[in-house]
Amino acid sequence: GAGVSQSPRYKVAKRGQDVALRCDPISGHVSLFWYQQALGQGPEFLTYFQNEAQLDKSGLPSDRFFAERPEGSVSTLKIQRTQQEDSAVYLCASSFRTGRDGYTFGSGTRLTVV
Amino acid sequence: AQRVTQPEKLLSVFKGAPVELKCNYSYSGSPELFWYVQYSRQRLQLLLRHISRESIKGFTADLNKGETSFHLKKPFAQEEDSAMYYCARSAGGYNKLIFGAGTRLAVHP
Repeated sequence: GAGVSQSPRYKVAKRGQDVALRCDPISGHVSLFWYQQALGQGPEFLTYFQNEAQLDKSGLPSDRFFAERPEGSVSTLKIQRTQQEDSAVYLCASSFRTGRDGYTFGSGTRLTVV
Repeated sequence: AQRVTQPEKLLSVFKGAPVELKCNYSYSGSPELFWYVQYSRQRLQLLLRHISRESIKGFTADLNKGETSFHLKKPFAQEEDSAMYYCARSAGGYNKLIFGAGTRLAVHP
């Protein structure tokens, strides 16, 4: 596609509900990153994929967060048993190589946990 | 810990005035530095990176390793420059980014 596509744009979840956020990167981009952006803050790194391999998940805040990219293209970020502190914008970004040239970001998914 | 500090949450200037958005980073190896911009209702996008030494939309940024700074400058601000600006440094071999908290630039007519 022409850009990084994320869905849904907005998600409201009741506390305790599971959610799945989708990222469709630019075709051919090897690197895929997930970031979490809380209100008034800059994006914070969650996890990194190189093709289908998840090489770094050090930023995932708890074991309720899980990400996958099974075929090296589309990625899904899953949050189990959502909590209010999970409310944030979740950004996906992709890069042709390692991100040295900068990323292309998606529009993000705004998750609100009520 | 690797950090990026943007000391100003808001910078308010008049059109035609010079602009400097400050950014300091924690020293660790030889990071790559970036400025990203987010205009209203748009996605985060790369403005410039230090290795390219480019001037984009009249903005420049010089890496000062001694002061560990990467301030963003523009001699004459325009109203269309109003946006959120994020400074970021690379970390790790695959260049994950560590972002500052951002500075909102408001350019008034």
